[in-house]
Amino acid sequence: DTGVSQDPRHKITKRGQNVTFRCDPISEHNRLYWYRQTLGQGPEFLTYFQNEAQLEKSRLLSDRFSAERPKGSFSTLEIQRTEQGDSAMYLCASSSGTGVNSPLHFGNGTRLTVT
Amino acid sequence: DAKTTQPPSMDCAEGRAANLPCNHSTISGNEYVYWYRQIHSQGPQYIIHGLKNNETNEMASLIITEDRKSSTLILPHATLRDTAVYYCIVSPLISTGANSKLTFGKGITLSVRP
Repeated sequence: DTGVSQDPRHKITKRGQNVTFRCDPISEHNRLYWYRQTLGQGPEFLTYFQNEAQLEKSRLLSDRFSAERPKGSFSTLEIQRTEQGDSAMYLCASSSGTGVNSPLHFGNGTRLTVT
Repeated sequence: DAKTTQPPSMDCAEGRAANLPCNHSTISGNEYVYWYRQIHSQGPQYIIHGLKNNETNEMASLIITEDRKSSTLILPHATLRDTAVYYCIVSPLISTGANSKLTFGKGITLSVRP
């Protein structure tokens, strides 16, 4: 169990550029979540996958955001035409989704700064 | 639409017990109480969860009142490494399909002083 891995840890981009983040969940975890966290706030849910199916998307996930999990393993989150308001920590989490005790395991996030 | 209320901050002395309160007066019968914590520059870390009985694991104890309207997370012997933001969350069991996400509030910042 190597934990949830996110790459990159930090990303600085100019407004209008596209960025893509990657998340590698704990192996055999069939659920994968994306959250966003701004300074002083708790994490906000963006979307989640059960295997390769994207089952829920938050209203926070505008059409500039797209998430994929093509083979039910790793996931990517892409933000197109970034805006300064997109600056935040993007957190990925995974869970086994079965049994009484299936907590979310979070990665350490990707911090995005849009200049 | 926060379902929990936590004080913004508290502190305790190293080695003493830290008792973190949480109010969830509108909790539904099928909702569990979850606690996570987030140490600076890290992702949230699961601590414990419970439905109505008190729970204990290697990290903490969770005490839920009989009416389930409030709970307390107890760190029995706080250390400096326990300084973090602690989130109390109520949610149906996340392994069910009906609600498979956790909704975080602002949490309580615990500062452990030497």
